[in-house]
Amino acid sequence: DTEVTQTPKHLVMGMTNKKSLKCEQHMGHRAMYWYKQKAKKPPELMFVYSYEKLSINESVPSRFSPECPNSSLLNLHLHALQPEDSALYLCASSQEASGNNEQFFGPGTRLTVL
Amino acid sequence: DQQVKQNSPSLSVQEGRISILNCDYTNSMFDYFLWYKKYPAEGPTFLISISSIKDKNEDGRFTVFLNKSAKHLSLHIVPSQPGDSAVYFCAARDFTGGGNKLTFGTGTQLKVEL
Repeated sequence: DTEVTQTPKHLVMGMTNKKSLKCEQHMGHRAMYWYKQKAKKPPELMFVYSYEKLSINESVPSRFSPECPNSSLLNLHLHALQPEDSALYLCASSQEASGNNEQFFGPGTRLTVL
Repeated sequence: DQQVKQNSPSLSVQEGRISILNCDYTNSMFDYFLWYKKYPAEGPTFLISISSIKDKNEDGRFTVFLNKSAKHLSLHIVPSQPGDSAVYFCAARDFTGGGNKLTFGTGTQLKVEL
């Protein structure tokens, strides 16, 4: 299995809703990432998990809450989002969070906040 | 401040010819560079990478060149095929940041015409 899967593919939520994005990989990778990509912009790193511990938080607002329940799963919990948070949310994984390791991306979740 | 720049938002090439995509960077702490391809509604797909200790890496039709003194890298695709039509992102890793943090360029839309 050489892919990163993300669910749901699309999500529409109101500003008062609570929802979660899910990401899964079965490549034995020990580093997982969340990125945010706005239209016609490059992906921007949000969080890095290494060996199930949060190692980088790129000053992301607390309305985004990541969680790594085990080495294969990564969640992003969403609460009280704003319309400007609408974007494509990409999950990625790599063998390690150090060294020259390419990151493999999932297809993303297209989030719309109303 | 855009640390990784792709100054050509689009490029059109005939099938069978060479495609050359360029990328410039400003951060001298970048030590590992990657190219990703992205189709609409999909996540980025890893293509090829190069460490800062090398100046060339080749994989099939794809070759990446790195000129450290000029802080410039390029991706050559030869021969170009219609299936290569996609957005290409270059990405760079800052080894001082830890956590395999990648900074992406703004992307170049490649169109390979018949």
